[in-house]
Amino acid sequence: DAGVTQSPTHLIKTRGQQVTLRCSPISGHKSVSWYQQVLGQGPQFIFQYYEKEERGRGNFPDRFSARQFPNYSSELNVNALLLGDSALYLCASSPQGTGLYQPQHFGDGTRLSIL
Amino acid sequence: AQSVTQLDSQVPVFEEAPVELRCNYSSSVSVYLFWYVQYPNQGLQLLLKYLSGSTLVKGINGFEAEFNKSQTSFHLRKPSVHISDTAEYFCAVRLITNAGKSTFGDGTTLTVKP
Repeated sequence: DAGVTQSPTHLIKTRGQQVTLRCSPISGHKSVSWYQQVLGQGPQFIFQYYEKEERGRGNFPDRFSARQFPNYSSELNVNALLLGDSALYLCASSPQGTGLYQPQHFGDGTRLSIL
Repeated sequence: AQSVTQLDSQVPVFEEAPVELRCNYSSSVSVYLFWYVQYPNQGLQLLLKYLSGSTLVKGINGFEAEFNKSQTSFHLRKPSVHISDTAEYFCAVRLITNAGKSTFGDGTTLTVKP
């Protein structure tokens, strides 16, 4: 079975632009989470979506938004890009959003560079 | 809120030597504990996890970790490292009630030298 897939793998944008990153979860997984990993740091939680509803949000500005589609894939949108948004964006999926232990599988990420 | 502190940002070690990567965490509620490995330009791969029960957990690639509740620590160990273990290692915690949000440390760069 395919793992978590993210597209594109690399992206270069300029300040002020908008970007959309995409994630396809493992088949059967209904929960998707997004993380931002700045160089030299650990991943920081941005959003969790479960059954197409936002279930959690990290400490990120309103420029960051996301949504989940009926097929459980997800998009992360970032508006008015800043240099500090340069990072590896990771998507993770799990079977359910709540309940006892659920394995969380990570994609290889989208590397976003802001010029 | 939860927090994770990885006590060493870089750990250089010679091949076939033992290694320990240290992790302390803080949480007022019960959490699951994880170690992940990240190779360049890749995502996170789960090495091992502590959910409950035995405090010594074994993972892939010969790694193991010990959960110490009184010291709120979850240190990762390997008795003999290989060149291929060179990578970034992340300790993470997750609330047992939330499958979607993990809190990570800032990582430890393990460099294995010949």
